[in-house]
Amino acid sequence: DAGVIQSPRHEVTEMGQEVTLRCKPISGHNSLFWYRQTMMRGLELLIYFNNNVPIDDSGMPEDRFSAKMPNASFSTLKIQPSEPRDSAVYFCASSAWDTPNTEAFFGQGTRLTVV
Amino acid sequence: AQSVTQLGSHVSVSEGALVLLRCNYSSSVPPYLFWYVQYPNQGLQLLLKYTTGATLVKGINGFEAEFKKSETSFHLTKPSAHMSDAAEYFCAVIPTGGGNKLTFGTGTQLKVEL
Repeated sequence: DAGVIQSPRHEVTEMGQEVTLRCKPISGHNSLFWYRQTMMRGLELLIYFNNNVPIDDSGMPEDRFSAKMPNASFSTLKIQPSEPRDSAVYFCASSAWDTPNTEAFFGQGTRLTVV
Repeated sequence: AQSVTQLGSHVSVSEGALVLLRCNYSSSVPPYLFWYVQYPNQGLQLLLKYTTGATLVKGINGFEAEFKKSETSFHLTKPSAHMSDAAEYFCAVIPTGGGNKLTFGTGTQLKVEL
């Protein structure tokens, strides 16, 4: 298995632009997580899905952030409009929700820079 | 909400010395506990996990952790550090019986010196 695949690996955009981050989870996994990592705040869980349904989005910073999972093999995290403080590494992870206590597998991350 | 606290944001050891990274959880009911490692510019990789059963858990790369309910701890150890162990280490928790929401500690940066 190729693991969790995220694209792009790096994104540089100007303030005010729309940014879309993409994630393909491991085949057969039915839970998907989006995390944000910064020096100041560490690893923050933004949102997670079970069976394509958002379960907890309490970590989404504000309305500028939105996430979708239209099917079991694809998810997006969108920021519109982007701001410099959104600069961070965004990780996607997946796990098998119906396998008790299974670990989450992480992608390589997308490093977002908003200038 | 259940959480984990990692003591020491930076730990430095000599090559060949014992590695001890501390993690305490906050819960009256033992949760499921994990240690992940992150190498520079990489995603997180699972080192080991505790769910039930044996309290001493062995993981990859010679690491192990012991679940101690009386101390609400899950410290990570390795008898002899290697230069390749330099990385950031995260303790994480999933609440028992509460789904699979994985919450991370603040991380400990391990430096290994010659």
